[in-house]
Amino acid sequence: NAGVMQNPRHLVRRRGQEARLRCSPMKGHSHVYWYRQLPEEGLKFMVYLQKENIIDESGMPKERFSAEFPKEGPSILRIQQVVRGDSAAYFCASSPQAGGYTFGSGTRLTVV
Amino acid sequence: KNEVEQSPQNLTAQEGEFITINCSYSVGISALHWLQQHPGGGIVSLFMLSSGKKKHGRLIATINIQEKHSSLHITASHPRDSAVYICAVFGGETSGSRLTFGEGTQLTVNP
Repeated sequence: NAGVMQNPRHLVRRRGQEARLRCSPMKGHSHVYWYRQLPEEGLKFMVYLQKENIIDESGMPKERFSAEFPKEGPSILRIQQVVRGDSAAYFCASSPQAGGYTFGSGTRLTVV
Repeated sequence: KNEVEQSPQNLTAQEGEFITINCSYSVGISALHWLQQHPGGGIVSLFMLSSGKKKHGRLIATINIQEKHSSLHITASHPRDSAVYICAVFGGETSGSRLTFGEGTQLTVNP
């Protein structure tokens, strides 16, 4: 059981580029959550997905950010035209049902 | 006012001391997590509580649903316990199954 796998661990992008963050949930987990931790700030909810469905995206910025969890493959958090303010740690968590979370190691995004 | 408040924000202790971190929340919840985060590291779920008390090694977590309060205790603290400890709740009326986090408590245990 490999746990929640996130990759890459570190990602550097120039302003205006696209960032793709991947999350493979634990085996048997059908719920995926993305959280963002800005420098010196607490964790904030972004989006909650189940297979092929976005359940709650109330924490997603209105522009440039999107997420998906396809039938096959990992969940993807996509940030288009990155800006310096997008620099943060992005954590994915999965659960078999609401509540029993397992977190990934996170992706540290740096926008230069 | 944040839905989840932790205290203290920073805590420095000497090795061997008994440590308590507190968490108060203002919404109805289904359960509460205590999480641990080392600098630059990932997040580990230490406990999930919906009532009563849980113990794992030197860590003890308690929750009082009526008072909307939880505590995390560390007995015989050790420098390797130095980390940020985060309280998170879910199952509230507005949050549903997503987690709402406290700001974290930075614990430093000196040898």
